[in-house]
Amino acid sequence: QLQLQESGPGLVKPSETLSLTCSVSGDSIRSSTHYWGWIRQPPGKGLEWIGTIYYSGSTYYNPSLKNRITISVDTSKNQFSLKLSSVTAADTAIYYCLRCSGWFRETFDSWGQGTLVTVSS
Amino acid sequence: QSALTQPPSASGSPGQSVTISCTGTSSDVGAYNYVSWYQQHPGKAPKLMIYEVTKRPSGVPDRFSGSKSGNTASLTVSGLQAEDEADYYCSSYAGTNTFALYVFGTGTKVTVL
Repeated sequence: QLQLQESGPGLVKPSETLSLTCSVSGDSIRSSTHYWGWIRQPPGKGLEWIGTIYYSGSTYYNPSLKNRITISVDTSKNQFSLKLSSVTAADTAIYYCLRCSGWFRETFDSWGQGTLVTVSS
Repeated sequence: QSALTQPPSASGSPGQSVTISCTGTSSDVGAYNYVSWYQQHPGKAPKLMIYEVTKRPSGVPDRFSGSKSGNTASLTVSGLQAEDEADYYCSSYAGTNTFALYVFGTGTKVTVL
């Protein structure tokens, strides 16, 4: 059974870089039919797509965050990671890692439990 | 890119049906048959309920159904049950030839009376 687990600091200072890792079990991150991604949800608010990556390293980023995002993949560890630079309080959110499928990678079919990241000094 | 518009709330008694709308534009919902619906219980991660407008993943009850007309997609929950009380979000592909983009709805809280 597919499981995704986010890990990383729960508290990040303003202007610093948020770093999270997603560990995948029950499926290979080298799957030819799936992509992997990140979505976030500010407390009490809606969902926002951050970005998506293929095991080859091809990435797709939300244009509104593009200048601050780096998503990478480590196939040897079956993990992928998110880095978000120059964070502000507006980046405080629950961050979910997930598996994406579909022609445009538009179906988010499995989600991690999410991890709350608070940006505060 | 603006969020898709959903009603803030919807409700129904057990056994009844409730329909949630998701209104976008000709650049997202109206352009592609790639609308998904997600159910989110408090404190939990979202769960995929419908994809590609009408398809249900394995394990999702057939009480959940999706449809689309023009720029508006809809999720119908028939035979409401207590466990259907949750927040529901739609999403749509909204990309172009030059970039990928996925937009979500504003969310609808479904209450089972």
